[in-house]
Amino acid sequence: GAVVSQHPSWVICKSGTSVKIECRSLDFQATTMFWYRQFPKQSLMLMATSNEGSKATYEQGVEKDKFLINHASLTLSTLTVTSAHPEDSSFYICSARVSGRYEQYFGPGTRLTVT
Amino acid sequence: EDQVTQSPEALRLQEGESSSLNCSYTVSGLRGLFWYRQDPGKGPEFLFTLYSAGEEKEKERLKATLTKKESFLHITAPKPEDSATYLCAVQARRAAGNKLTFGGGTRVLVKP
Repeated sequence: GAVVSQHPSWVICKSGTSVKIECRSLDFQATTMFWYRQFPKQSLMLMATSNEGSKATYEQGVEKDKFLINHASLTLSTLTVTSAHPEDSSFYICSARVSGRYEQYFGPGTRLTVT
Repeated sequence: EDQVTQSPEALRLQEGESSSLNCSYTVSGLRGLFWYRQDPGKGPEFLFTLYSAGEEKEKERLKATLTKKESFLHITAPKPEDSATYLCAVQARRAAGNKLTFGGGTRVLVKP
């Protein structure tokens, strides 16, 4: 149980274009989903927390106009990287929390490369 | 501010050589401490949740323990497939949005 999927698993895009990453909870409803960024050999950095039907809460230093998060249903959250630049290249991972429990279950991650 | 420090940063073990990973934490009111395993290029895999000092959880060759200041992940008779980065995270009772604070991780390499 508690399976989270992400799509795509990897994506290459050109500088200036936008990329959308999907995060789905497959066998449970997730009232809260989280988006992280991870650089090589570093730990996870929380970017934002999203609750179904409401605006995402962004961590300090994360540009909300650049990283658009939508949590339109209890099983789907999307992260759109707008006007991507090479410095946005990273490993993006989402997680979801089962209602009534505290642990987070993570997706497999999306490798974004901006050329 | 909540803080999590993991040690050592890296650990090389021979197959069968038991060892322990440390996670020291500072948090105002612990709701839970979480252990995850992360393989290269993949998302973290949930292992354990510990809620109060004295609590222990086990899964195969892994055993997690918790005190008021730190947690240990004991790996008994490890196998090469136990090679991974092990992440520790804490959640404070007052954590906005139930967010987790992660440590830097311990990279474990088990050689056959």
